[in-house]
Amino acid sequence: GENVEQHPSTLSVQEGDSAVIKCTYSDSASNYFPWYKQELGKRPQLIIDIRSNVGEKKDQRIAVTLNKTAKHFSLHITETQPEDSAVYFCAASNDYKLSFGAGTTVTVRA
Amino acid sequence: NAGVTQTPKFQVLKTGQSMTLQCAQDMNHNSMYWYRQDPGMGLRLIYYSASEGTTDKGEVPNGYNVSRLNKREFSLRLESAAPSQTSVYFCAEGQGTDTQYFGPGTRLTVL
Repeated sequence: GENVEQHPSTLSVQEGDSAVIKCTYSDSASNYFPWYKQELGKRPQLIIDIRSNVGEKKDQRIAVTLNKTAKHFSLHITETQPEDSAVYFCAASNDYKLSFGAGTTVTVRA
Repeated sequence: NAGVTQTPKFQVLKTGQSMTLQCAQDMNHNSMYWYRQDPGMGLRLIYYSASEGTTDKGEVPNGYNVSRLNKREFSLRLESAAPSQTSVYFCAEGQGTDTQYFGPGTRLTVL
């Protein structure tokens, strides 16, 4: 089955700086890569996604890049704000099933 | 339009007891999923249902059963709860084969 690895497990950034989270996947048939944000005690919420026919996608301060050859994808958050503090999960999908990374706890320092 | 609803929000069981977690979606989507979330392990797929009338095992199905009652409802049953099943359980739904939206979760403790 699919194996998704996510790094780093924790990330502390100064407010206004950028944050980058990286994920690798094992199954070359995976074709959909969403990112979820989860605040403490809440449900995971989809923040951005990318499909295998696209190399990069942006939505305001958030961007995702995908390198299919190397089987890795990354989340970039620019101009971080305190409300960006949360746990972020990457995932890879093939045929209905999402496989998740273990998560990155992001803390934005004021 | 509530999206995905789950009941109960919290539950405490004794080892060996049984219970059913309920999930319903009002998006009229075909696919529904059950995940468990444990500290440091992300979300792991227990079972999923690609469409009404079908169910399939995910990554960690042992100790669980599911029923896709109709297009709206997908329940998860623990026949004989064990402490290792203490977790937060999330139901999700999606249209097609990718984008999934999660319910609020059920926090289960097995003593």
